Amino acid sequence: GESVGLHLPTLSVQEGDNSIINCAYSNSASDYFIWYKQESGKGPQFIIDIRSNMDKRQGQRVTVLLNKTVKHLSLQIAATQPGDSAVYFCAENLQGAQKLVFGQGTRLTINP
Amino acid sequence: NAGVMQNPRHLVRRRGQEARLRCSPMKGHSHVYWYRQLPEEGLKFMVYLQKENIIDESGMPKERFSAEFPKEGPSILRIQQVVRGDSAAYFCASSQTDSNEKLFFGSGTQLSVL
Repeated sequence: GESVGLHLPTLSVQEGDNSIINCAYSNSASDYFIWYKQESGKGPQFIIDIRSNMDKRQGQRVTVLLNKTVKHLSLQIAATQPGDSAVYFCAENLQGAQKLVFGQGTRLTINP
Repeated sequence: NAGVMQNPRHLVRRRGQEARLRCSPMKGHSHVYWYRQLPEEGLKFMVYLQKENIIDESGMPKERFSAEFPKEGPSILRIQQVVRGDSAAYFCASSQTDSNEKLFFGSGTQLSVL
């Protein structure tokens, strides 16, 4: 089975609030993690990544947190906007492998 | 999605026909990956190719599916004798190196088998 999974399949937030999307992984040999955003009818779009030697990385309005102890990854989106509506996937890369393992995805919807 | 071109965007085939999906990587990229996505699911790795070589095809079904990335021209994912279970979105991604860092994905080909 998949080694990457998500706790919640859907998430609804109020516009302007912060969003937190969670991801669990099971393979301790994974050394690189990525969050992708996928809008309807489009391919995945890179958001932010993090290596296993880090526990936090920040981008523009987004932060990724990595907890290797419990094999947990999260994506935080600050001040969520309507344009953030999409399905968000986490993906992991096993050390030395050339393929990504994707989670199921979380659909983020924004309430006005 | 910058620069990775996939065509066609939509492909309809009847059971038993062949499907050919094309992917032109970003300029300067010599590494191509194919992924399949079923509705409401994440992407599943199929195959990783470099120019003229298949590096990892561990995610590709043993029968009916093949992939190539010739020296000249796009990468082709070929599905022979399609069945309804092949209906899915097929995404191509490319990179400049053999690293998965910041893969750039195309917009995908939606295959529908009638």
